[in-house]
Amino acid sequence: GESVGLHLPTLSVQEGDNSIINCAYSNSASDYFIWYKQESGKGPQFIIDIRSNMDKRQGQRVTVLLNKTVKHLSLQIAATQPGDSAVYFCALQTYGNNRLAFGKGNQVVVIP
Amino acid sequence: DTEVTQTPKHLVMGMTNKKSLKCEQHMGHRAMYWYKQKAKKPPELMFVYSYEKLSINESVPSRFSPECPNSSLLNLHLHALQPEDSALYLCASSQDNRGVYQPQHFGDGTRLSIL
Repeated sequence: GESVGLHLPTLSVQEGDNSIINCAYSNSASDYFIWYKQESGKGPQFIIDIRSNMDKRQGQRVTVLLNKTVKHLSLQIAATQPGDSAVYFCALQTYGNNRLAFGKGNQVVVIP
Repeated sequence: DTEVTQTPKHLVMGMTNKKSLKCEQHMGHRAMYWYKQKAKKPPELMFVYSYEKLSINESVPSRFSPECPNSSLLNLHLHALQPEDSALYLCASSQDNRGVYQPQHFGDGTRLSIL
């Protein structure tokens, strides 16, 4: 099966600082990458995605970086806010396959 | 608010009960999914329906029985569950990802407790 992992289990960040969450993957056939945010008591919420033909994509306060050479994905959150406290999952997919491979998850705690 | 609606939000049932979880989406998605999520773990895929046909069953025990009555609805019928089946059950939908790059959208789940 796929091996998808995150480097840091918990990230504590001061409000207003930037956050970086990392994700390493092993399946080089993966060509679609997604970040989800899961708040307590809720389902995973789509944040941003990126295809393998790109190395960077920006959204509102979030940026996803993809390095296919070293099979590494990261999510950057600018000016972290208390509402960003959640568990963040990276997820991978391969074209033609409905299966998502989730990473283990990374807890982000924002300190006011 | 999520565009995938799941009911009920909470369910407590005995091991001999029969109950059903329901999921509805009106985004025109043709792929729908059931996941099981334990505390502090990522979601685990159970079933995938594509164009109302079961396309993936991840070796789920027969005490879980999925049903897709139409393109907007997905049910999960439960019978003779075990305590270890207590978890958050998530429904998701997407355009059929076999041909496009589109994310899955999740509901907020049903928190299931087996007594």
